[in-house]
Amino acid sequence: NAGVIQTPRHKVTGKGQEATLWCEPISGHSAVFWYRQTIVQGLEFLTYFRNQAPIDDSGMPKERFSAQMPNQSHSTLKIQSTQPQDSAVYLCASSLSYEQYFGPGTRLTVL
Amino acid sequence: GDQVEQSPSALSLHEGTDSALRCNFTTTMRSVQWFRQNSRGSLISLFYLASGTKENGRLKSAFDSKERRYSTLHIRDAQLEDSGTYFCAAGNTGNYKYVFGAGTRLKVIA
Repeated sequence: NAGVIQTPRHKVTGKGQEATLWCEPISGHSAVFWYRQTIVQGLEFLTYFRNQAPIDDSGMPKERFSAQMPNQSHSTLKIQSTQPQDSAVYLCASSLSYEQYFGPGTRLTVL
Repeated sequence: GDQVEQSPSALSLHEGTDSALRCNFTTTMRSVQWFRQNSRGSLISLFYLASGTKENGRLKSAFDSKERRYSTLHIRDAQLEDSGTYFCAAGNTGNYKYVFGAGTRLKVIA
């Protein structure tokens, strides 16, 4: 069991560019969560899927952010027209029930 | 919205001493999960509790089963490798997402 896999581990983009972050949940887990961690805001919930269906995106910024789960083996978080304030560690977690298992995160730096 | 208040925000312990971290919830929570974030940023799960207590080595966690408004993490005989930032995350009834506390930065010193 490789755990939750996130790629890339580090990404640097220029302001205005697009960033796509990938998450591969633990095999057999039915839920995938996205969180964001910054020094100022701490760990914040963004969105989650259950059985590939979007359930709650209440934490997603209304503009520029989108998430998808095209199949049970991966989810993507896309940020269009990245801004410096999008710089953060983006964490993905998966779960079978309530207990969540986290990936190592993707550190996004927007210059 | 639901809030998780974690205390203390920072803590220094001498090796061999004991301490307790606490999370208070502004509303009744279904469950709590405790994590330690290591120097590489990975969130390592320590405990998941829907009620009662769990123990693993020198760590023990409890979740107030009556009112479900707080949880504690006890560290016994602190070791240098216990240093890191500890987070609690709580889940409310009816949804699966977590609300995280702000973390406790623990430093164990020789």
